[in-house]
This record gives sequence, C-alpha cells and structure tokens, in this order.
Amino acid sequence: EAQVTQNPRYLITVTGKKLTVTCSQNMNHEYMSWYRQDPGLGLRQIYYSMNVEVTDKGDVPEGYKVSRKEKRNFPLILESPSPNQTSLYFCASRRVGPSSYNEQFFGPGTRLTVL
Amino acid sequence: AQSVTQLGSHVSVSEGALVLLRCNYSSSVPPYLFWYVQYPNQGLQLLLKYTTGATLVKGINGFEAEFKKSETSFHLTKPSAHMSDAAEYFCAVGSGNTGKLIFGQGTTLQVKP
Repeated sequence: EAQVTQNPRYLITVTGKKLTVTCSQNMNHEYMSWYRQDPGLGLRQIYYSMNVEVTDKGDVPEGYKVSRKEKRNFPLILESPSPNQTSLYFCASRRVGPSSYNEQFFGPGTRLTVL
Repeated sequence: AQSVTQLGSHVSVSEGALVLLRCNYSSSVPPYLFWYVQYPNQGLQLLLKYTTGATLVKGINGFEAEFKKSETSFHLTKPSAHMSDAAEYFCAVGSGNTGKLIFGQGTTLQVKP
C-alpha cells in the first residue's frame, strides 16, 4: 500500500530534550515536506526537500532541523524543544514531474506536546 | 505572495442539505488550487484540484469546486451532505516553483442528523 508513515504518532516531552520524528514514504517520491498544524493557522511548511541531500527552509523553520540522506526518509529533528513547538506535525511527499503541483500525500500526523 | 482565506471556521448543515465551504485566494500568477479533507485523527486527503482548463472541478465523494478568477474564489460544494462528510476542510494554493502549498485556516464541517 502506498503510504507515508510517521513515528511516533504521539509524544510528550520536556523542554530541551532532543527528539526526532521519523517520516518514511514508499512511493519513490522525490519531494518531501514537513508541516505543522495549529488551530486557526492551518498548515505551515517547516522544511522541504526536492531530492536526496537537497533541503530548504519553509515558512517556519526556526527550532527545527531536517536531513535527507535517503530518498524514502525525511526525519524532523528538534534539538532543544520548547513549549511553542507543541503542535500537530505532518509529513508529506509527492512526485516531481512536469507539473510541480502533483498531489501531495500526507502522513497520519504526530501530536507533540512539549512541557 | 500567495495567500488563502477560508470564510467561516465552523459550518453546520443538516444531513441532505447543500454544503458550501468558501475559499478566496490571492495570487500574482495563475493559481493552482486545492481542497483537502482531514478526518479525525488522520492525515490530509486530496479532494480535488484545479490547475488549468475547465473551471468546474469534480472531486471524490461527490464534492466539486468552481474556479472563478474574477472573484478570486474556489468554493467547495456538495449537493447533499452525508454524516460521513463531517471533517475539517482545507483550501490551499500552490506557491512558487517548488510546489509548496499555502493553506487556509481550515473549516470544520458539522453534519447534523
């Protein structure tokens, strides 16, 4: 089954404790992206990657890191989480083709709480 | 810069009634427009998209949307609401050459029996 998976689905942590949220897709998509969803703000892009070893900042990158060492994986790293990073996080992927707006496939989300 | 505004954070309809979710966009270039649906505890699923061509776009589950350039709108409709349509709906516009999506704030649809 074609899908984007994220782990963990739920995480409660404390300020300053480094964490990683994993994202993996099995569709051989070149493009991957991380979003955060907050009430009243919709989804905002954190980072994206056009292909392996190619990453770039989105609209809200502060406090986050990413890496893209393999095509299928795109982990989101919070080196020193703070309470304002409490949010619902989504990973997404899509094929890169003649149209830049091929459908994005979303993971199930990771609900993060930073105390 | 592109932006999206969804009018109404909550919409409530009776089962069988018309569903109308409003979306207005701002874009300096011809827009690519999308509607996504998010069911509870799930990720986002594409309902429909407009890129070029026919301005009336049909999607899954009986939904459709019409691109109106003069009104900068892309409203989502469904003739008859079903209980299973209760979800959060997001309108989005494509931005730039990277395929980034700019999302609206979301509209929660409640369907009453």
